[in-house]
Amino acid sequence: QSVLTQPPSASGTPGQRVTISCSGSSSNIGSNTVNWYQQLPGTAPKLLIYSNNQRPSGVPDRFSGSKSGTSASLAISGLQSEDEADYYCAAWDDSLNGQVFGTGTKVTVL
Amino acid sequence: QVQLQESGPGLVKPSGTLSLTCAVSGGSISSSNWWSWVRQPPGKGLEWIGEIYHSGSTNYNPSLKSRVTISVDKSKNQFSLKLSSVTAADTAVYYCARDAQLEEDGRAFDIWGQGTMVTVSS
Repeated sequence: QSVLTQPPSASGTPGQRVTISCSGSSSNIGSNTVNWYQQLPGTAPKLLIYSNNQRPSGVPDRFSGSKSGTSASLAISGLQSEDEADYYCAAWDDSLNGQVFGTGTKVTVL
Repeated sequence: QVQLQESGPGLVKPSGTLSLTCAVSGGSISSSNWWSWVRQPPGKGLEWIGEIYHSGSTNYNPSLKSRVTISVDKSKNQFSLKLSSVTAADTAVYYCARDAQLEEDGRAFDIWGQGTMVTVSS
């Protein structure tokens, strides 16, 4: 029962820019920071973006995050074949007093 | 660097209790971080189960709260998950993760274990 809504899929050709949306509410995205995770096939999730727009060391600057109101977005510019993965947004929810994840978006490189 | 490793039975009978442990290496579980459990049913998305601080403070997913217990063992530098009255719906890959305060205004799961598959079946 994911509280954050993402499109199920997104795709692009190599070099293109892809954007993934994450829609929430005032109790989660509207009042807390958003994180993004990348999950390559058969592996554990990996932190991609934290605090809305910060990249951990080692994450390429092709990945960027933003937040406005109760929605957030992840952009992948210069899409590469190794970006094929599932992407999840996440935030703390003050009403549930817990973490909530997005429904997940599968990115395909055509 | 800090590493996490889940361990526990891969098969649990329906109505039984799922028990997993997450061993923390390369760092102390008593550091200023929360420690979480996250699960992922086959072919589905991520679901947060709950978290614990080294003091023993916990937060649980309301949908699982009545069946979940997360505990910490500072002497062994590990934390554990117990999920009771399991059904087939609890079949999933279970991950442990460090929930770190990377910025003043929020935390993130910055380190994950490799995950362990638990199947609920008779």
